[in-house]
Amino acid sequence: AQSVTQLGSHVSVSEGALVLLRCNYSSSVPPYLFWYVQYPNQGLQLLLKYTSAATLVKGINGFEAEFKKSETSFHLTKPSAHMSDAAEYFCAVSEVGNGQNFVFGPGTRLSVLP
Amino acid sequence: DTAVSQTPKYLVTQMGNDKSIKCEQNLGHDTMYWYKQDSKKFLKIMFSYNNKELIINETVPNRFSPKSPDKAHLNLHINSLELGDSAVYFCASSRRDRDYEQYFGPGTRLTVT
Repeated sequence: AQSVTQLGSHVSVSEGALVLLRCNYSSSVPPYLFWYVQYPNQGLQLLLKYTSAATLVKGINGFEAEFKKSETSFHLTKPSAHMSDAAEYFCAVSEVGNGQNFVFGPGTRLSVLP
Repeated sequence: DTAVSQTPKYLVTQMGNDKSIKCEQNLGHDTMYWYKQDSKKFLKIMFSYNNKELIINETVPNRFSPKSPDKAHLNLHINSLELGDSAVYFCASSRRDRDYEQYFGPGTRLTVT
């Protein structure tokens, strides 16, 4: 069975500061890993994904994430936060080649302070 | 040119009623899903469906049933609505050659009174 944990249900950063959102996964098979963002009253939008190619993955809006197998982690970072980054962020795991077993983490709400 | 659309966006109804939520995708995807997001933002997959197989999360009550008239549509029908069914329901779709990354609809906020 797969699972995802996200440390910190709420993270606050100042505008211009580094954003670090943590994700750890558990999977008995090689995983695909994803980060999604959800703005208020909207659906989820894909930020980036890891699919066993490069371990450092770049996504939209200046976000990137690094897959570390030894730590079973896939943390999301952005060098400089913008006010528009305030949203809910979800990490998700699926099995390679299996679209029917998507598991989302509990989410981290990011607040950006002026 | 909306990719994944859902109707209605808001649905308010009384306990015991039967309701449906419609979902359509114009991406040519072969797999569609329904998710439930509760008040704490926790997102849980309810169903995944392609033209060959329906996978049901075993925790979903059998009052919930997906119906797919064709590959572009996956509707959600709910019988005998209960207070605990109040949530936001998201439809999503994916395809194998895009690593099954999920494309989400805007959500339907269901309120049962």
